[in-house]
Amino acid sequence: DIQMTQSPSSLSTSVGDRVTITCRASQDIRNNLGWYQQKPGKAPERLVYAASRLQSGVPSTFSGSGSGTEFTLTISSLQPEDFATYYCLQYNSYPPTFGQGTKVEIK
Amino acid sequence: QVQLQESGPGLVKPSQTLSLTCTVSGASIGSGTYYWSWIRQPAGGGLEWIGRFCTSGSTNYNPSLKSRVSISVDTSKNQFSLDMTSVTAADTAVYYCTRGGPLNSAYEYYFDYWGQGTLVTVSS
Repeated sequence: DIQMTQSPSSLSTSVGDRVTITCRASQDIRNNLGWYQQKPGKAPERLVYAASRLQSGVPSTFSGSGSGTEFTLTISSLQPEDFATYYCLQYNSYPPTFGQGTKVEIK
Repeated sequence: QVQLQESGPGLVKPSQTLSLTCTVSGASIGSGTYYWSWIRQPAGGGLEWIGRFCTSGSTNYNPSLKSRVSISVDTSKNQFSLDMTSVTAADTAVYYCTRGGPLNSAYEYYFDYWGQGTLVTVSS
Protein backbone atom coordinates (compact mmCIF):
# COMPACT_ATOMS: atom_id res chain seq x y z
CA ASP A 1 0.00 0.00 0.00
CA ILE A 2 1.09 3.59 -0.57
CA GLN A 3 1.62 5.39 2.74
CA MET A 4 0.46 8.99 2.96
CA THR A 5 2.16 11.08 5.65
CA GLN A 6 0.63 14.40 6.57
CA SER A 7 2.27 17.15 8.56
CA PRO A 8 1.68 18.71 10.93
CA SER A 9 -0.85 16.49 12.70
CA SER A 10 -2.35 19.59 14.29
CA LEU A 11 -1.80 23.32 14.35
CA SER A 12 -3.17 26.27 16.28
CA THR A 13 -3.69 29.37 14.28
CA SER A 14 -5.74 32.55 14.00
CA VAL A 15 -8.29 33.97 11.61
CA GLY A 16 -6.50 35.63 8.73
CA ASP A 17 -3.37 33.50 9.00
CA ARG A 18 -1.83 31.58 6.12
CA VAL A 19 -1.83 27.82 6.65
CA THR A 20 0.15 25.17 4.78
CA ILE A 21 -0.41 21.43 5.16
CA THR A 22 1.95 18.91 3.59
CA CYS A 23 1.26 15.39 2.38
CA ARG A 24 4.04 13.00 1.33
CA ALA A 25 3.47 9.79 -0.57
CA SER A 26 5.70 6.74 -0.16
CA GLN A 27 5.70 6.29 -3.95
CA ASP A 28 5.18 8.43 -7.02
CA ILE A 29 1.43 9.09 -7.40
CA ARG A 30 1.78 11.64 -10.23
CA ASN A 31 -0.96 14.21 -9.54
CA ASN A 32 -3.57 11.72 -8.36
CA LEU A 33 -4.15 13.39 -5.02
CA GLY A 34 -7.20 14.94 -3.42
CA TRP A 35 -7.83 17.01 -0.30
CA TYR A 36 -10.87 16.82 1.96
CA GLN A 37 -12.19 18.93 4.82
CA GLN A 38 -14.03 17.32 7.71
CA LYS A 39 -15.92 19.08 10.48
CA PRO A 40 -16.96 17.31 13.71
CA GLY A 41 -19.82 14.89 13.22
CA LYS A 42 -19.86 15.40 9.45
CA ALA A 43 -18.65 13.45 6.46
CA PRO A 44 -15.52 14.65 4.67
CA GLU A 45 -16.13 17.13 1.88
CA ARG A 46 -13.99 17.38 -1.23
CA LEU A 47 -11.85 20.46 -1.73
CA VAL A 48 -9.21 19.65 -4.32
CA TYR A 49 -8.65 16.96 -6.94
CA ALA A 50 -5.80 16.29 -9.34
CA ALA A 51 -3.52 17.90 -6.75
CA SER A 52 -4.35 21.48 -7.72
CA ARG A 53 -7.89 21.68 -9.13
CA LEU A 54 -10.47 23.25 -6.83
CA GLN A 55 -13.87 21.65 -6.63
CA SER A 56 -16.70 23.91 -7.72
CA GLY A 57 -17.80 26.15 -4.88
CA VAL A 58 -14.57 25.94 -2.89
CA PRO A 59 -13.30 29.43 -1.92
CA SER A 60 -10.27 30.72 -3.79
CA THR A 61 -8.45 31.07 -0.46
CA PHE A 62 -7.76 27.34 -0.85
CA SER A 63 -5.09 26.09 -3.23
CA GLY A 64 -3.28 22.83 -3.85
CA SER A 65 0.05 22.08 -5.42
CA GLY A 66 2.60 19.35 -5.95
CA SER A 67 3.17 16.20 -7.94
CA GLY A 68 5.03 12.95 -7.56
CA THR A 69 5.48 12.46 -3.82
CA GLU A 70 5.10 15.92 -2.24
CA PHE A 71 1.91 17.90 -2.06
CA THR A 72 0.63 20.93 -0.19
CA LEU A 73 -2.73 22.41 0.67
CA THR A 74 -2.60 26.13 1.40
CA ILE A 75 -5.25 28.34 2.93
CA SER A 76 -4.16 31.88 2.16
CA SER A 77 -6.30 33.62 4.79
CA LEU A 78 -7.98 31.39 7.35
CA GLN A 79 -11.67 32.04 7.90
CA PRO A 80 -13.71 30.97 10.96
CA GLU A 81 -15.45 28.25 8.93
CA ASP A 82 -12.08 26.74 7.94
CA PHE A 83 -11.33 25.34 11.38
CA ALA A 84 -11.60 21.62 10.70
CA THR A 85 -9.55 18.51 10.02
CA TYR A 86 -8.00 18.08 6.58
CA TYR A 87 -7.13 14.79 4.89
CA CYS A 88 -5.21 13.97 1.75
CA LEU A 89 -6.16 10.97 -0.40
CA GLN A 90 -4.04 9.20 -2.99
CA TYR A 91 -6.20 7.66 -5.69
CA ASN A 92 -3.38 6.62 -8.01
CA SER A 93 -3.12 3.03 -6.86
CA TYR A 94 -5.19 0.27 -5.32
CA PRO A 95 -5.96 0.42 -2.47
CA PRO A 96 -6.62 4.14 -2.10
CA THR A 97 -5.13 5.52 1.10
CA PHE A 98 -5.63 8.63 3.21
CA GLY A 99 -3.25 10.69 5.28
CA GLN A 100 -3.78 10.64 9.02
CA GLY A 101 -5.27 14.12 9.05
CA THR A 102 -4.30 17.63 10.14
CA LYS A 103 -6.49 19.34 12.71
CA VAL A 104 -6.59 23.11 12.34
CA GLU A 105 -7.58 24.68 15.65
CA ILE A 106 -8.19 28.18 16.89
CA LYS A 107 -5.27 29.67 18.81
CA GLN B 1 -28.02 15.96 -6.57
CA VAL B 2 -26.63 12.59 -5.55
CA GLN B 3 -27.48 11.57 -2.01
CA LEU B 4 -26.45 8.51 -0.01
CA GLN B 5 -27.88 7.27 3.28
CA GLU B 6 -26.44 4.51 5.43
CA SER B 7 -28.64 2.32 7.62
CA GLY B 8 -28.14 -0.63 9.90
CA PRO B 9 -27.68 -1.71 13.52
CA GLY B 10 -25.67 0.61 15.70
CA LEU B 11 -24.52 -2.19 17.99
CA VAL B 12 -23.03 -5.53 17.00
CA LYS B 13 -21.67 -8.23 19.29
CA PRO B 14 -18.10 -9.44 18.94
CA SER B 15 -17.64 -12.34 16.50
CA GLN B 16 -20.94 -11.54 14.78
CA THR B 17 -21.55 -10.04 11.34
CA LEU B 18 -21.90 -6.31 10.75
CA SER B 19 -24.44 -5.54 8.00
CA LEU B 20 -25.08 -2.09 6.58
CA THR B 21 -27.09 -0.80 3.64
CA CYS B 22 -26.62 2.32 1.56
CA THR B 23 -29.61 3.81 -0.24
CA VAL B 24 -28.76 6.05 -3.17
CA SER B 25 -30.92 8.77 -4.69
CA GLY B 26 -30.21 11.09 -7.58
CA ALA B 27 -28.17 8.47 -9.44
CA SER B 28 -28.65 4.90 -10.61
CA ILE B 29 -26.12 2.41 -9.27
CA GLY B 30 -27.27 0.00 -11.98
CA SER B 31 -26.14 2.34 -14.76
CA GLY B 32 -22.64 0.94 -14.43
CA THR B 33 -21.12 4.36 -14.87
CA TYR B 34 -19.57 4.91 -11.44
CA TYR B 35 -17.89 2.99 -8.67
CA TRP B 36 -19.52 2.91 -5.22
CA SER B 37 -17.49 2.37 -2.06
CA TRP B 38 -17.58 1.85 1.68
CA ILE B 39 -15.14 3.78 3.89
CA ARG B 40 -14.82 3.74 7.68
CA GLN B 41 -13.40 6.00 10.37
CA PRO B 42 -12.71 4.96 13.98
CA ALA B 43 -13.49 7.57 16.60
CA GLY B 44 -10.79 10.22 16.51
CA GLY B 45 -9.02 8.30 13.77
CA GLY B 46 -8.27 8.36 10.09
CA LEU B 47 -10.15 7.11 7.06
CA GLU B 48 -9.89 3.58 5.72
CA TRP B 49 -11.26 2.41 2.37
CA ILE B 50 -13.08 -0.91 2.71
CA GLY B 51 -14.15 -1.86 -0.79
CA ARG B 52 -16.02 -0.89 -3.95
CA PHE B 53 -18.13 -2.17 -6.83
CA CYS B 54 -19.37 -1.11 -10.20
CA THR B 55 -22.13 -3.03 -11.94
CA SER B 56 -20.18 -2.76 -15.20
CA GLY B 57 -16.81 -3.28 -13.60
CA SER B 58 -15.29 -5.25 -10.81
CA THR B 59 -15.67 -5.56 -7.06
CA ASN B 60 -12.50 -4.85 -5.09
CA TYR B 61 -11.67 -4.95 -1.40
CA ASN B 62 -8.93 -3.58 0.78
CA PRO B 63 -6.44 -6.43 1.19
CA SER B 64 -6.39 -5.80 4.93
CA LEU B 65 -10.11 -6.63 5.18
CA LYS B 66 -10.67 -8.83 2.15
CA SER B 67 -11.15 -12.07 4.06
CA ARG B 68 -14.00 -10.62 6.13
CA VAL B 69 -15.96 -8.28 3.87
CA SER B 70 -18.34 -8.54 0.97
CA ILE B 71 -20.38 -5.97 -0.94
CA SER B 72 -23.68 -6.83 -2.57
CA VAL B 73 -26.02 -4.83 -4.76
CA ASP B 74 -29.78 -4.52 -5.22
CA THR B 75 -30.29 -2.42 -8.32
CA SER B 76 -34.09 -2.67 -8.04
CA LYS B 77 -33.91 -0.75 -4.75
CA ASN B 78 -30.87 1.34 -5.76
CA GLN B 79 -29.09 0.03 -2.69
CA PHE B 80 -25.80 -1.62 -1.93
CA SER B 81 -24.75 -3.39 1.21
CA LEU B 82 -21.69 -4.24 3.28
CA ASP B 83 -21.24 -7.41 5.30
CA MET B 84 -18.26 -7.74 7.62
CA THR B 85 -17.83 -11.01 9.49
CA SER B 86 -16.13 -11.89 12.77
CA VAL B 87 -16.12 -8.33 14.05
CA THR B 88 -14.07 -7.17 17.03
CA ALA B 89 -13.86 -3.93 18.97
CA ALA B 90 -11.33 -2.74 16.39
CA ASP B 91 -14.19 -2.58 13.87
CA THR B 92 -16.00 0.07 15.92
CA ALA B 93 -16.19 3.07 13.61
CA VAL B 94 -18.35 5.42 11.63
CA TYR B 95 -19.10 3.75 8.29
CA TYR B 96 -19.63 5.86 5.18
CA CYS B 97 -20.95 4.90 1.76
CA THR B 98 -19.55 7.00 -1.05
CA ARG B 99 -19.50 7.42 -4.79
CA GLY B 100 -16.20 7.07 -6.56
CA GLY B 101 -15.27 8.30 -9.97
CA PRO B 102 -16.40 7.15 -13.41
CA LEU B 103 -15.46 3.69 -14.63
CA ASN B 104 -12.18 3.65 -16.58
CA SER B 105 -11.23 7.15 -15.47
CA ALA B 106 -8.31 8.38 -13.39
CA TYR B 107 -10.80 9.20 -10.67
CA GLU B 108 -12.18 5.76 -9.91
CA TYR B 109 -10.88 6.02 -6.34
CA TYR B 110 -11.70 9.72 -5.85
CA PHE B 111 -14.79 10.01 -3.68
CA ASP B 112 -17.14 12.86 -4.49
CA TYR B 113 -20.44 12.17 -2.73
CA TRP B 114 -20.61 10.79 0.83
CA GLY B 115 -23.40 9.64 3.10
CA GLN B 116 -23.67 11.22 6.54
CA GLY B 117 -22.15 8.11 8.11
CA THR B 118 -23.46 5.64 10.66
CA LEU B 119 -21.73 4.70 13.90
CA VAL B 120 -21.33 0.99 14.53
CA THR B 121 -20.15 -0.10 17.95
CA VAL B 122 -18.88 -3.62 18.51
CA SER B 123 -19.52 -4.58 22.11
CA SER B 124 -21.11 -7.36 24.11
